[in-house]
Amino acid sequence: AQTVTQSQPEMSVQEAETVTLSCTYDTSESDYYLFWYKQPPSRQMILVIRQEAYKQQNATENRFSVNFQKAAKSFSLKISDSQLGDAAMYFCAYRVSGGGADGLTFGKGTHLIIQP
Amino acid sequence: GAGVSQSPRYKVAKRGQDVALRCDPISGHVSLFWYQQALGQGPEFLTYFQNEAQLDKSGLPSDRFFAERPEGSVSTLKIQRTQQEDSAVYLCASSLGWGAGEMYFGPGTRLTVT
Repeated sequence: AQTVTQSQPEMSVQEAETVTLSCTYDTSESDYYLFWYKQPPSRQMILVIRQEAYKQQNATENRFSVNFQKAAKSFSLKISDSQLGDAAMYFCAYRVSGGGADGLTFGKGTHLIIQP
Repeated sequence: GAGVSQSPRYKVAKRGQDVALRCDPISGHVSLFWYQQALGQGPEFLTYFQNEAQLDKSGLPSDRFFAERPEGSVSTLKIQRTQQEDSAVYLCASSLGWGAGEMYFGPGTRLTVT
């Protein structure tokens, strides 16, 4: 079974600074997808960034980028120029490729606090 | 609407009552998922539909949980004889196809069993 581990229950960063959220996962599959989702207090789960395991290049979306280390099964999220609106729970998630019946496997989340 | 909607947003049930939670996916989305999110935890997979077919229900915690999607669009998650441990947020997500297409989540229904 796949597992996703987020070892940081809470992180705090000053506004405009950079923060990195950690995620490791365990799988025997070679082809899969990794995601970071943001969940603000409204509970709406919002996709931040996704990475295909077959791609060596790290995904980036504006201020958000990942450091994907496939051999180490590590998938960290870097948020640059942190903004107050970034405050939320962040979940790392995994999904096997090509298997439509497989849902996402989530980590327990990291609560990100932005200090003004 | 443009997104996934869920109703009700909040539900309080007395232990032993039956509840029904509704999910309206994005129009045309083939895949629909239900997740259960306990307080302070990440969502956990409950069940998956491809159109009207329930292809995976391995995550349903007991036979008190039942989900349906009879016409391949709206889905209902029913919980019979609710217990306190059923208290959680229930999230619905849909995606256009299958594979790893982006999932769009609804706002969830917070169920509290007293």
